[in-house]
Amino acid sequence: GAVVSQHPSRVICKSGTSVKIECRSLDFQATTMFWYRQFPKQSLMLMATSNEGSKATYEQGVEKDKFLINHASLTLSTLTVTSAHPEDSSFYICSAWTGDYGYTFGSGTRLTVV
Amino acid sequence: EDKVVQSPLSLVVHEGDTVTLNCSYEVTNFRSLLWYKQEKKAPTFLFMLTSSGIEKKSGRLSSILDKKELFSILNITATQTGDSAVYLCASKAAGTASKLTFGTGTRLQVTL
Repeated sequence: GAVVSQHPSRVICKSGTSVKIECRSLDFQATTMFWYRQFPKQSLMLMATSNEGSKATYEQGVEKDKFLINHASLTLSTLTVTSAHPEDSSFYICSAWTGDYGYTFGSGTRLTVV
Repeated sequence: EDKVVQSPLSLVVHEGDTVTLNCSYEVTNFRSLLWYKQEKKAPTFLFMLTSSGIEKKSGRLSSILDKKELFSILNITATQTGDSAVYLCASKAAGTASKLTFGTGTRLQVTL
């Protein structure tokens, strides 16, 4: 149990466009979802925490207008990278608090901005 | 600011060796320390440690937490090439669904 499905797994987009990444909890209700970013050979850096039905809490240094997080339902949270630039290229991964199973991670999205 | 530091940053060992990975933390309202293994994509959960001095074991992996000295170790005995991965530790603050603060990671490579 406690599976989070993340899509797409890989996306290439042009500079200036927006990209949406989805995380769905398949067999539980995810009231809290965490979004991380991971650069090559570096650790996971928390970007923001989203709670269903309320505004996301962003970590210091993360631009909330650039990384839009929506958690409108108990099974879906989305991260939209707006006006993407090459420096936004990274591995983005979501994680949900499941209660009994602790934290479960999505499979990640590798974003390349060209 | 919460801080989690792992050492070494990387390690190369021969199959069959035993390795010890270290994780130290300085975290406000600390509750638990978690270990994950990350191969190519999502981290997979290994252990969650909440009590000091109680070893958790799963096969060839074991881990223990020292809340007085603020560190944890992850041991892997009789290493195999399949153990090659990045091992991450993360601190969890008090609170049901509080965020995790991840360490820098240790990249382990097991060679034949």
